[in-house]
Amino acid sequence: DTAVSQTPKYLVTQMGNDKSIKCEQNLGHDTMYWYKQDSKKFLKIMFSYNNKELIINETVPNRFSPKSPDKAHLNLHINSLELGDSAVYFCASSPAGGPYEQYFGPGTRLTVT
Amino acid sequence: GENVEQHPSTLSVQEGDSAVIKCTYSDSASNYFPWYKQELGKRPQLIIDIRSNVGEKKDQRIAVTLNKTAKHFSLHITETQPEDSAVYFCAPNSSGSARQLTFGSGTQLTVLP
Repeated sequence: DTAVSQTPKYLVTQMGNDKSIKCEQNLGHDTMYWYKQDSKKFLKIMFSYNNKELIINETVPNRFSPKSPDKAHLNLHINSLELGDSAVYFCASSPAGGPYEQYFGPGTRLTVT
Repeated sequence: GENVEQHPSTLSVQEGDSAVIKCTYSDSASNYFPWYKQELGKRPQLIIDIRSNVGEKKDQRIAVTLNKTAKHFSLHITETQPEDSAVYFCAPNSSGSARQLTFGSGTQLTVLP
């Protein structure tokens, strides 16, 4: 059974478009995250979210917004895509009351042309 | 936020040799010290972690040692094998909040046959 899943796996789009990446976890975790991994492999946290609190990394442009329809899902919506948004985006989850191990999704490779 | 430095950035060893990767952090409140392994094209996965009340932990060929006074912890891999080739990340933290979650810059380990 897949613990943390993401769709799509690959996303190619043009500058200026709006796109979403979906994330689902079946681990019963309370906290979910979005990470961006650039071409140099730097792994940078963008958001953490549980049913009580959204924490936004202050360096993330407001074109990025997480949306959580329920505890098992945390989608990432990106407006007005730019070339610099090209990266691999990972969703992750962990139990609340941490810190604990983070379980990562398979990643979504976003390419903006 | 936490300042995390990871060294070396690249490491090549002969199969069967040992490898050591060091992670230095700044936040004295950090109490959880994980190491993640990311194989090419895959998601990061936890390989070993340690909490601040323990100085060393071993799991077969891998070990983590912690020096809280000096604020650093290290990953040790003995009898390296080609399948150990990957990028390794440290991620010291004290909570699950995005404000404190910082990954090291990664170490590309290559095990030469």
